[in-house]
Amino acid sequence: TQLLEQSPQFLSIQEGENLTVYCNSSSVFSSLQWYRQEPGEGPVLLVTVVTGGEVKKLKRLTFQFGDARKDSSLHITAAQPGDTGLYLCAGAWAGKSTFGDGTTLTVKP
Amino acid sequence: GAGVSQSPSNKVTEKGKDVELRCDPISGHTALYWYRQSLGQGLEFLIYFQGNSAPDKSGLPSDRFSAERTGGSVSTLTIQRTQQEDSAVYLCASSLAPGTGHQPQHFGDGTRLSIL
Repeated sequence: TQLLEQSPQFLSIQEGENLTVYCNSSSVFSSLQWYRQEPGEGPVLLVTVVTGGEVKKLKRLTFQFGDARKDSSLHITAAQPGDTGLYLCAGAWAGKSTFGDGTTLTVKP
Repeated sequence: GAGVSQSPSNKVTEKGKDVELRCDPISGHTALYWYRQSLGQGLEFLIYFQGNSAPDKSGLPSDRFSAERTGGSVSTLTIQRTQQEDSAVYLCASSLAPGTGHQPQHFGDGTRLSIL
């Protein structure tokens, strides 16, 4: 079983602060995805990282895939209330995906 | 529609009843996934369909759970003799054939199931 551990589980910060969410595993994945989910909706894909050491930026969000393709991080710069939501990482292998338990982010104005 | 459609959006039923949850995937997506999500938690994999291959049922928690996909399109998840611990949001996702890599999964908004 491929397991993914996310940390922290909950994060509450003030608008303008920076934050980092971590996704760790002892298993190697062919790719790793980050999703964001709002209440009452399904998760929406933010990014896919494929290559070890890869860094992708999406506006104020920076995603990194570990060199060994076992871990990933999501860094948000100058968080805004609109960033509030549940952030999920998912590791993919052989056509399947396993999801972490998520990080619930609350950004207070 | 353009996205994954799930119905009903909410279902309340009594313990012991059977329920059927429906998923209409994006047209042309050959892969279809069912997940279960407890409040504020991650997604628990249930079952995976890919084209005409035998489904991967390894995530189904008990023999009360079953799913089928007719004509490679619409899927139905059935829970028999529901228990209170079955209460959760059931999410469906579809994607293009993942092959050896990964294709982005597109999720529906889920069915919120409450067992009284």
